[in-house]
Amino acid sequence: KQEVTQIPAALSVPEGENLVLNCSFTDSAIYNLQWFRQDPGKGLTSLLLIQSSQREQTSGRLNASLDKSSGRSTLYIAASQPGDSATYLCAVPNAGNNRKLIWGLGTSLAVNP
Amino acid sequence: DAGVIQSPRHEVTEMGQEVTLRCKPISGHDYLFWYRQTMMRGLELLIYFNNNVPIDDSGMPEDRFSAKMPNASFSTLKIQPSEPRDSAVYFCASSWGWQGSDTQYFGPGTRLTVL
Repeated sequence: KQEVTQIPAALSVPEGENLVLNCSFTDSAIYNLQWFRQDPGKGLTSLLLIQSSQREQTSGRLNASLDKSSGRSTLYIAASQPGDSATYLCAVPNAGNNRKLIWGLGTSLAVNP
Repeated sequence: DAGVIQSPRHEVTEMGQEVTLRCKPISGHDYLFWYRQTMMRGLELLIYFNNNVPIDDSGMPEDRFSAKMPNASFSTLKIQPSEPRDSAVYFCASSWGWQGSDTQYFGPGTRLTVL
């Protein structure tokens, strides 16, 4: 059974710092991996989707990497800003059903001015 | 497009009452998902539809929960009777069905409190 773990559960950093969020999964036979952002009281917004054949994806100051063999993904945020404060979740499809996502509990990030 | 629309945004009810949550997916999307989010369990998929047909309802916690999608632009999640342990945020999400487009678009959620 696929399980997704995110460490740390919470992170507080000063503005401008580069940071890394971690996501690990138990079954390496994944179709893709997605990173989402959730702001308080709001829904989730997709940030990056990495297909199983890819090693990384970049969007602006965000870079997500994928290492299937070790069951890990990282989300790198460069030059963090207070507006990056949110909860970041990763998700992978359930084996045999790409539409059914298995979610981590998320990392709550606070970027302090 | 306005994105996924959910109503109500907040619902407070008493134990035993019927609760109906509503969702309008993004126009053109043929997949619709209902999720529940709690602090302890995180996000859980309850049920999803493809072309208005329920595909997988294995996440529905018990018979008190039911979901319908009468047409491509509307879905409901009903809890009858509601219990305090149903208190959570319920999200609706939608996506396209074509290969490679796996991103799900989420609504703002309905915060349900059952007293």
